[in-house]
Amino acid sequence: DIVMTQTPLSLSVTPGQPASISCKSSQSLLHSDGKTYLYWYLQKPGQSPQLLIYEVSSRFSGVPDRFSGSGSGTDFTLKISRVEAEDVGVYYCMQGIHLTFGGGTKVEIK
Amino acid sequence: EVQLVESGGGLVQPGRSLRLSCAASGFTFDDYAMHWVRQAPGKGLEWVSGISWNSGSIGYADSVKGRFTISRDNAKNSLYLQMNSLRAEDTALYYCAKGDGYIKLTYFDYWGQGTLVTVSS
Repeated sequence: DIVMTQTPLSLSVTPGQPASISCKSSQSLLHSDGKTYLYWYLQKPGQSPQLLIYEVSSRFSGVPDRFSGSGSGTDFTLKISRVEAEDVGVYYCMQGIHLTFGGGTKVEIK
Repeated sequence: EVQLVESGGGLVQPGRSLRLSCAASGFTFDDYAMHWVRQAPGKGLEWVSGISWNSGSIGYADSVKGRFTISRDNAKNSLYLQMNSLRAEDTALYYCAKGDGYIKLTYFDYWGQGTLVTVSS
């Protein structure tokens, strides 16, 4: 199975400041079809996960442009350009080849 | 608006069975694969099972293979998960999630609110 490793485990951010989360996969997520199957989700407190980013860098419908994804192969990053109070929660990366998730990164506001 | 509403969770003894349901609306149900994803209390996310639009392709996590059965009824816009031989480690919030065309090489774009399954004597 492909193992997804996220760092850091938690992040405390001042509103308006940037934040960055890393996700590394044990195998390349670039498939022979040319797509890279890496996704980012946010699970706000008490809510179900919501899709933020698909295929590394495409924002899902309604996701603010302060969220951006980048990376290739086995190394990926989610960046929040200016953290807002509503961004608190646990962020998960997921690989779509065999459907496994990273362990999550908890983001809180200072 | 896409809506996924799970039901059927509850407290069950080890070794017993439970059937979860998910009622879907707001999209053309029989165009998409559907999945179950679970989250143990205070833990991360684990894909459990997926089923293609026509039930022709089905997959399971190793942790539930042979015990759980996924199915769907496109006429009723509904997804099901039959869970047999339940174990304490199956205790989790079970989410219904909408996929795209396939059960692998895919992702989940909408999730329900989940139904809690507790396995305990």
